[in-house]
Amino acid sequence: GNSVTQMEGPVTLSEEAFLTINCTYTATGYPSLFWYVQYPGEGLQLLLKATKADDKGSNKGFEATYRKETTSFHLEKGSVQVSDSAVYFCALRPSDGQNFVFGPGTRLSVLP
Amino acid sequence: GAVVSQHPSWVICKSGTSVKIECRSLDFQATTMFWYRQFPKQSLMLMATSNEGSKATYEQGVEKDKFLINHASLTLSTLTVTSAHPEDSSFYICSAKTSVSSYEQYFGPGTRLTVT
Repeated sequence: GNSVTQMEGPVTLSEEAFLTINCTYTATGYPSLFWYVQYPGEGLQLLLKATKADDKGSNKGFEATYRKETTSFHLEKGSVQVSDSAVYFCALRPSDGQNFVFGPGTRLSVLP
Repeated sequence: GAVVSQHPSWVICKSGTSVKIECRSLDFQATTMFWYRQFPKQSLMLMATSNEGSKATYEQGVEKDKFLINHASLTLSTLTVTSAHPEDSSFYICSAKTSVSSYEQYFGPGTRLTVT
């Protein structure tokens, strides 16, 4: 079946540090891949997405590249800010349906 | 952007009682709404999909008689947890889509249910 695995958190970084949150997936066909972010007390917000192999999604300084050969969609940011503190969810949407499959989420804390 | 609200944000109820959670799309019409459940440190698990005016489609293993879903209008879906038990304690999140063909979902902030 379809599944998403994320690195376990929490991740604690100092401001301006480099961020990587690993995400790998298992799916048949060619799923679309997403990163969602949940700030404290708020709903999940779409951060970026990629719909086919080698696509790079980017938004607010975050990037992730759809790597089919390694079934990965790692999230990166070159210089994190305190305001990036949140929970990050990797997700896939199977190519044969509309229902999302989410990873467990990774909590990021950025210290000033 | 599209905003989805949930009410209440937090509820405590006694075992055996029923609890209703509302999900509203505030500035768009949601043809499809989804209900997820999230256990601590675990993934969001899809419980059911509901289309306005029709019966919800439940995922395997979800008791439809226990988790009643009503999507009576294009801006409101409700989840009722009937005869709640402590094992129903969880974080419930809804999401909504603007059209059948759109894959982007807009999520509500979630409702934390604690059953004592």
